[in-house]
Formats: sequence, structure tokens, C-alpha cells
Amino acid sequence: NAGVTQTPKFQVLKTGQSMTLQCAQDMNHEYMSWYRQDPGMGLRLIHYSVGAGITDQGEVPNGYNVSRSTTEDFPLRLLSAAPSQTSVYFCASSSVGRLNTEAFFGQGTRLTVV
Amino acid sequence: AQSVTQLGSHVSVSEGALVLLRCNYSSSVPPYLFWYVQYPNQGLQLLLKYTSAATLVKGINGFEAEFKKSETSFHLTKPSAHMSDAAEYFCAVRGEGNNRLAFGKGNQVVVIP
Repeated sequence: NAGVTQTPKFQVLKTGQSMTLQCAQDMNHEYMSWYRQDPGMGLRLIHYSVGAGITDQGEVPNGYNVSRSTTEDFPLRLLSAAPSQTSVYFCASSSVGRLNTEAFFGQGTRLTVV
Repeated sequence: AQSVTQLGSHVSVSEGALVLLRCNYSSSVPPYLFWYVQYPNQGLQLLLKYTSAATLVKGINGFEAEFKKSETSFHLTKPSAHMSDAAEYFCAVRGEGNNRLAFGKGNQVVVIP
């Protein structure tokens, strides 16, 4: 029972490089989201999706792109990495329609931009 | 928009003592509230959730939380802290009519032997 799987777990990028953080879930959840976690800031929503083909911006979307071609996958793209994007990134999924259901989180990707 | 406030980023508690983490929410509708725990280098794990069925909610690892509408609070407690409770704890509220979660800034709990 994999749940939410994120890859890679760790990544170091140089400023200006691009990369994609992968997220996959096997629970057939419609809703998926990306958060970044910074010390003293809690988790802040970057982008989210309510189903395949539908994405929207969260609280801190600048510098990130997403797409949702399948129910299972929700990759997060950094087009031109900046040191300010050094953070821990979490992907989460949940079922739409029942608001008392919890979100399930991946193990996180720790990204350092130098 | 819904939001939660957690005060005191670092909380130190002696082993065996009461753990109390405070969470106050702001919501224009009856809220769906959650407490998550994050152990070092791990993802977030659900501790408990409030879904309006009962005001006192019991979760995993001996934690519980009480929903108080008059105080707009959902404080987390555990009667006796254990060393394994050292972690970061987040309160979260679901958005009105959607799945978006708004998180508090978190409490880093340190358990002193």
C-alpha cells in the first residue's frame, strides 16, 4: 500500500537549472496538491488540482508549474531554480466530496539550490 | 478565508508531563479541523480530525483535542509526554467547500528526560 510517493528524496540544483519533482498516488484521489515547508512558516500551498486536466494556483505559485494528465500523477516543475526555492516540498492527495477526509502526504523532497 | 493560528513555535515539556498545544481557527462556516504530526525527516501523519460528530476527539498515540466553538479553539493535549512525542505538530483547517488545507506555523515539541 504505497499511498503517496515522491521522488527524488534529495536534490541539489544550481541556480538557473530546471527540474521536475515527481508525485504519484495509488488511492484514486481526485485532489492533489503541492506544499513547501520552510522553518517557522508552516506549509504553504503552491499549486493544486481537483482532477485530471484541472490545476490552479495556491498561495505561493511563482516559479513553479504543474500539470495533471492522469489521476495518479501530479509533477511539479521548477523552470529556473533560485536559492529562494530551497525548501522541503510535500505532495498530498485527498478524496473530493467528503470534506472530513484527511489529506495523505508523501515523504517529501528536500531541495537545495546553490 | 479559513485560517489557523498556533502560538509558540518551540514547546519544551518534561517526560511524563502534560502536553498542550494551542490552535485557534478563523472560519465563517463550521470548520473541518485537523492535527498532523511530523517526525524528523518524515512526511505529515494525521493525528486526529474534527468532523462535528463529537467535540472531544481522540487520536493516535494518546493524543486528543477538544473543539470549542465559543473560543474558536481546537487545542491538542496528551496527559503524559513520552520521549517518542518529540516532533513537529501542525494544526490545519479545510477551506470552505473545497479540499484546500491552511496550516498553522507548527509547534516543535522537545521532550526533556
